[in-house]
This record gives sequence, structure tokens and C-alpha cells, in this order.
Amino acid sequence: AQSVTQLDSHVSVSEGTPVLLRCNYSSSYSPSLFWYVQHPNKGLQLLLKYTSAATLVKGINGFEAEFKKSETSFHLTKPSAHMSDAAEYFCVVSEGIYNFNKFYFGSGTKLNVKP
Amino acid sequence: NAGVTQTPKFQVLKTGQSMTLQCAQDMNHEYMSWYRQDPGMGLRLIHYSVGAGITDQGEVPNGYNVSRSTTEDFPLRLLSAAPSQTSVYFCASSRKTGPHEQYFGPGTRLTVT
Repeated sequence: AQSVTQLDSHVSVSEGTPVLLRCNYSSSYSPSLFWYVQHPNKGLQLLLKYTSAATLVKGINGFEAEFKKSETSFHLTKPSAHMSDAAEYFCVVSEGIYNFNKFYFGSGTKLNVKP
Repeated sequence: NAGVTQTPKFQVLKTGQSMTLQCAQDMNHEYMSWYRQDPGMGLRLIHYSVGAGITDQGEVPNGYNVSRSTTEDFPLRLLSAAPSQTSVYFCASSRKTGPHEQYFGPGTRLTVT
């Protein structure tokens, strides 16, 4: 069965230090992968997406993610955290099975940034 | 483009009342979906549609109905509201096939007392 696992429900970092949010997936097909961010009481905003082109994907606000097929991972990183990065992050996998895409969500990782 | 719009933003219902959450998109997307978000549970799929006249159940469909008479609109109906339906509801749209992301509406915060 297809699934998305976000390995940490909460991550806490200090401002200016690196961020690593981990995501593993299982998929029988060639998936598309996405990271979304949700700030408190807001909707979901696309950070970046992987769609079978370059395996290192750059997104908005300095985030990037690397698709590693052998490890079935799509971890999100940022070199230096900013206070405004405090939010919840969702990893999403999409598969085009049958004749339409199906989307699978991870359970989310809450990022706390300490001053 | 307005993208994905949802109304209302907030709603309080009493147990047993019915209501419709509205969702519209202006991107000509075939695929539309409804999710509910509860603390610690991420987003769970309620219903989805791959085109006008075509709908299907997601992970948590009980207590909700949908219809899709046009490409643009995908309303979600609560037939008889229950406190367990207190949640934040998000509508999303996407191209039906290909490597395309979903676009999300701003959400509707529903409280059932």
C-alpha cells in the first residue's frame, strides 16, 4: 500500500541552525513528491515539488529537498532557520494510478524555531 | 485568478443541523477534493471528484455528501452535524493527471456544539 511517513512529529531548532525534516514514502509507481507548509491558522502553501527531473529540488524561502529513490526518501532541508519558518510541514506523494492522480499525506512535522 | 475559494471562513452549528460548505476554483482543474484537518492527524480525505458528474469516497466519508455539477464548484454537505465533525475543512484542486500539485483553499473552521 502507498504510504508517507514523516519521521518526526516535532522538530525544534535554534534560529540560524540547519533544519532537517524527514520524509519516507512507499510507492509502486514513479511518484511525484511535494512539501507543503502551513503557518498557524493558515492554509497550505506549496514549498517545492519533485516531478522526475532533477533529484535536488529548490523551493521557496531557501528550502530544498533531495529525492533518493534507493532510500525512498524526500527529506526537506534549509541551511539556516529563521523565526518565520515556525510552522507545520507536510510531505505529500502523488501517484497517477488508474487514470487520475491520488495524493497521500504524511501526518505532519511541527517545526519550532527558538531565538 | 482567485485560485481556490471557500465559504464560509467560520461556522458554528448545533448538533443535527445541516449545512453546505462551498468550494470553487477558476483554474479549470478536473480534480477537486475535500479534506478535514484535526490536531495530530494531518489531513484526511473526505471525498474527491475527477470531473463533473464523477465523485468518490475518500478515507472518512461518513456524514458528508458531495456533488459536482460543474467543473468549477464542489460543495460539501453535512447532512446532520455531529460534534465529531468539528474540524477545519480544506478544499483543493489539481489537474487530473500528470505531475501537478494541489492548490488549497483558505479553509473553513467548523464548530458543532
